[in-house]
Amino acid sequence: ETGVTQTPRHLVMGMTNKKSLKCEQHLGHNAMYWYKQSAKKPLELMFVYNFKEQTENNSVPSRFSPECPNSSHLFLHLHTLQPEDSALYLCASSQDVAGGRNEQFFGPGTRLTVL
Amino acid sequence: GDSVTQMEGPVTLSEEAFLTINCTYTATGYPSLFWYVQYPGEGLQLLLKATKADDKGSNKGFEATYRKETTSFHLEKGSVQVSDSAVYFCALSGVQGGSEKLVFGKGMKLTVNP
Repeated sequence: ETGVTQTPRHLVMGMTNKKSLKCEQHLGHNAMYWYKQSAKKPLELMFVYNFKEQTENNSVPSRFSPECPNSSHLFLHLHTLQPEDSALYLCASSQDVAGGRNEQFFGPGTRLTVL
Repeated sequence: GDSVTQMEGPVTLSEEAFLTINCTYTATGYPSLFWYVQYPGEGLQLLLKATKADDKGSNKGFEATYRKETTSFHLEKGSVQVSDSAVYFCALSGVQGGSEKLVFGKGMKLTVNP
């Protein structure tokens, strides 16, 4: 595997389900990000991790719970989601946080549908 | 906070047409500027970037020049191909919500017909 991988690519879940999204980067980077991409809205940064420590949480509802066990893996745990949470969830990584000046490498995303 | 405004489209062009996608920004300080592209079913990938005023970024026939005086970073390509059909995002490294991060525009969907 190369670059940034995400699994699953598609996920359909009910509002009472619990599921997790997984992201893995094979680039030796130290910073990882979760973004939400909804139709007709700008890309929304959700969480930032730098050297496994969470450095940013952009007022994301607690039904989204990130986990970063090491610099290569990032998870997004989902529970009791709402239909408006349906979106494409993108993971990205960069060498370090560096104020966004480093290029971010994105995974293909997980298309989430909440019924 | 810092922000990016870009053409939203969607835009449909014929193959070999000239492409311009306008992007303007508002920022404190001196941000780096980026164009990312998202092909169907894929994540975003960096197309080109410029880190200071008057720098020109270029890649795959696309070009953009960092214009500080007009706070712009317009993307151009002289002759588009069907394979250029994608969503294009302008972005800057700036301050939003009190911390430095990548700030994206809303994206513009381009379709190129043969």
